[in-house]
Amino acid sequence: EVQLVESGGDLVQPGGSLRLSCAASGFTFSTYWMTWVRQAPGKGLEWVANINQDGSEKYFVDSVKGRFTISRDNAKNSLYLQMNSLRAEDTAVYYCATERGDYETFEYWGQGNLVTVSS
Amino acid sequence: SYELTQPPSVSVSPGQTATITCSAHKLGNKYISWYQQKPGQSPVLVIYQHNSRPSGIPERFSGSKSGNTATLTISGTQAMDEADYYCQAWDGKVFGGGTKLTVL
Repeated sequence: EVQLVESGGDLVQPGGSLRLSCAASGFTFSTYWMTWVRQAPGKGLEWVANINQDGSEKYFVDSVKGRFTISRDNAKNSLYLQMNSLRAEDTAVYYCATERGDYETFEYWGQGNLVTVSS
Repeated sequence: SYELTQPPSVSVSPGQTATITCSAHKLGNKYISWYQQKPGQSPVLVIYQHNSRPSGIPERFSGSKSGNTATLTISGTQAMDEADYYCQAWDGKVFGGGTKLTVL
């Protein structure tokens, strides 16, 4: 059974930093592109960033470029999102998900982790 | 990048057919996926590549595309299908704004 478990969400002040983690199991993590999607309270889904199998390709939505970084550790079956210079508008539930490029879809999703940026 | 437009809400009676549309200026050959999200839960993939269902998704869920509009159809809608539904295109990883399906 595929499992994606996010952790690291917290209340942080504007301008602060936070690192989210996503622990994967039940599939061969190292063979999948991985992605982060967020959802602001009461709002829709927004893709944030993704990373290829060996970490050599990374892409970001414009609103987080230069502030967020994405990385992975295939030995630990883990995905990370380092978030710096956080803003109030970054407040959201952050989901990690597997990508199926051949199906052009996000196949499996984690349960989500809340990040709140507020003073 | 482009926008995907969904109706904010759709209502349906139990047992009837619900249709949720997703339109774009130029959908072209882009594949559309659909996700179901119930309150307090994470999204679940229900349709990919316009009309394919992942294992475990009931047959009452189907998808189609015509021109610049993709459609999610739920036949014989059940109370458990009440949820938010999002369409998504791979180009730009864009999501539609979501449609709240109410089963009255």
